[in-house]
Amino acid sequence: QKEVEQNSGPLSVPEGAIASLNCTYSDRGSQSFFWYRQYSGKSPELIMSIYSNGDKEDGRFTAQLNKASQYVSLLIRDSQPSDSATYLCAVNNGSGGSNYKLTFGKGTLLTVNP
Amino acid sequence: GAVVSQHPSWVICKSGTSVKIECRSLDFQATTMFWYRQFPKQSLMLMATSNEGSKATYEQGVEKDKFLINHASLTLSTLTVTSAHPEDSSFYICSAIGMTSQETQYFGPGTRLLVL
Repeated sequence: QKEVEQNSGPLSVPEGAIASLNCTYSDRGSQSFFWYRQYSGKSPELIMSIYSNGDKEDGRFTAQLNKASQYVSLLIRDSQPSDSATYLCAVNNGSGGSNYKLTFGKGTLLTVNP
Repeated sequence: GAVVSQHPSWVICKSGTSVKIECRSLDFQATTMFWYRQFPKQSLMLMATSNEGSKATYEQGVEKDKFLINHASLTLSTLTVTSAHPEDSSFYICSAIGMTSQETQYFGPGTRLLVL
């Protein structure tokens, strides 16, 4: 069973702080990792993708990947109340070709307090 | 770019009826489309994967005769929930992969189904 684990939260941070979201995965052969944001009642929207070990930065967001530890994280700098949402970690367990299946974690609920 | 639409956005139906949900990629050709279901406070569960012109691949435990998927073109996939029952009430979301970015799934806005 390929699993993706996230702390369900809620994670509460004050406005302007750094929010740190963590994710672990069980399939050591996984190659692609994604962070999606899902507002209540809405569908997920892609924030970041990461494929190589290390950090990847995009604006206020930084994704970190450590394949040896099977760990991926998302840092949100200067958190804003509009960042309040559920953050879903997704891992590509597909076997290649057109079979890009994602396994999602249950998500971490982030609340940014004004 | 990479916009995916779904129709309808929500639907209420009586138990025993069938409901069709459409998923369209608006500005790209989707080589593969995925259908997910999400119950309240739970994560997305993949139901099936469909490629244009071929039969869908269903995940374990998903009844292919109940959830009919048709992927008639590179921009349209449909999910039909046949003989819907109250336990089928859920949030159904499609996603699509394009030819230029074959690993990134772009999600539609979802369809909320309520079966009475």
